[in-house]
Amino acid sequence: DGGITQSPKYLFRKEGQNVTLSCEQNLNHDAMYWYRQDPGQGLRLIYYSQIVNDFQKGDIAEGYSVSREKKESFPLTVTSAQKNPTAFYLCASSITAWGTLYEQYFGPGTRLTVT
Amino acid sequence: EDQVTQSPEALRLQEGESSSLNCSYTVSGLRGLFWYRQDPGKGPEFLFTLYSAGEEKEKERLKATLTKKESFLHITAPKPEDSATYLCAVQEVGSGTYKYIFGTGTRLKVLA
Repeated sequence: DGGITQSPKYLFRKEGQNVTLSCEQNLNHDAMYWYRQDPGQGLRLIYYSQIVNDFQKGDIAEGYSVSREKKESFPLTVTSAQKNPTAFYLCASSITAWGTLYEQYFGPGTRLTVT
Repeated sequence: EDQVTQSPEALRLQEGESSSLNCSYTVSGLRGLFWYRQDPGKGPEFLFTLYSAGEEKEKERLKATLTKKESFLHITAPKPEDSATYLCAVQEVGSGTYKYIFGTGTRLKVLA
């Protein structure tokens, strides 16, 4: 079955540690995205990538880093510089063409708790 | 600043009691408007895309409509399994990037 996988589902870390969240898709989509979701704030864009080896900062990129070495994979690293990293993290992918963004397909999410 | 506003924030309905959710936007030009359903602790699930004013899409008990400044998600005779958070997102014409602007969602609870 085609889809997006995120791992792990739950992640616990101590403050000051970097942590990497995995996102893999087999939908053959060019574009991939990372969002952060906090209660009452909706989805906020962290980073997005329209093509392999290229990515752009979203609205809240500070304290995060990404890489896009393969079309299928878009890992997100939450660094110790992120002041409030505890949140629900969602990865998504989509088809893009001629400036049009088509519907996004989301993974199941990773809930990160930092203490 | 471009914004997407959803109302109400929360809605409680009795089973069978039809209602509508609203998504209003202030982008200068709309390329597309998207509706998603999100269950607690899960990723959003795509429902509809609307591209132009007057367009309508239907799926089971859900019907999405679009005007120049807002979209409605009509829920006809809802069932408890329709309980979820419904998210709206827009893409702006000329943004030059493949980005959505999301609303904060409407939490729907349908009581049996």
